[in-house]
Amino acid sequence: ETGVTQTPRHLVMGMTNKKSLKCEQHLGHNAMYWYKQSAKKPLELMFVYSLEERVENNSVPSRFSPECPNSSHLFLHLHTLQPEDSALYLCASSQAWLVDLGDDGYTFGSGTRLTVV
Amino acid sequence: QKEVEQNSGPLSVPEGAIASLNCTYSDRGSQSFFWYRQYSGKSPELIMFIYSNGDKEDGRFTAQLNKASQYVSLLIRDSQPSDSATYLCAVKSNNDMRFGAGTRLTVKP
Repeated sequence: ETGVTQTPRHLVMGMTNKKSLKCEQHLGHNAMYWYKQSAKKPLELMFVYSLEERVENNSVPSRFSPECPNSSHLFLHLHTLQPEDSALYLCASSQAWLVDLGDDGYTFGSGTRLTVV
Repeated sequence: QKEVEQNSGPLSVPEGAIASLNCTYSDRGSQSFFWYRQYSGKSPELIMFIYSNGDKEDGRFTAQLNKASQYVSLLIRDSQPSDSATYLCAVKSNNDMRFGAGTRLTVKP
């Protein structure tokens, strides 16, 4: 497999459920990200991991819990979500988080479409 | 608040025309600028980046950057129906990548 893969592609969960989203990158990148994409809104950065260390947490509610066991894998653990958490959750990776180069764009996974009922 | 603004569209152009997509940003310290294409139901895909003032061309795509005006644009020449997608502008300042909400482009045959 190549690039950034996310599973599952679709997830429907009740507000009392616990589930996890998985992301895996095969690019040898050192930084990984979780983004939330809601309709008509800009991508919202949730978490940043650089070399397996969390370096940014943008005031995300504690019902979202990230985990980065190694530089290739990233998880987002979900529990007691709300209907407004329904969105597309995108994982991305880049060569590095601290960069001076201009061309360090992100490679995105295909996303997990989450519906909270 | 660091903002990246785009016209949400939809922008509709006929096949073969030039599509012009615009983006403004508020942080003068921004260093790198990116354009992503996102097809409906798919993830964003990087198509261009630019970090120096002026134009950068790649095939049918040209990115234009004007740091004094805090403005970046994407021109698509000879637009094709397959170019129909949402185009996201992203601006990087230090280690913070901020995205616009995207402009939806429709190219009509």
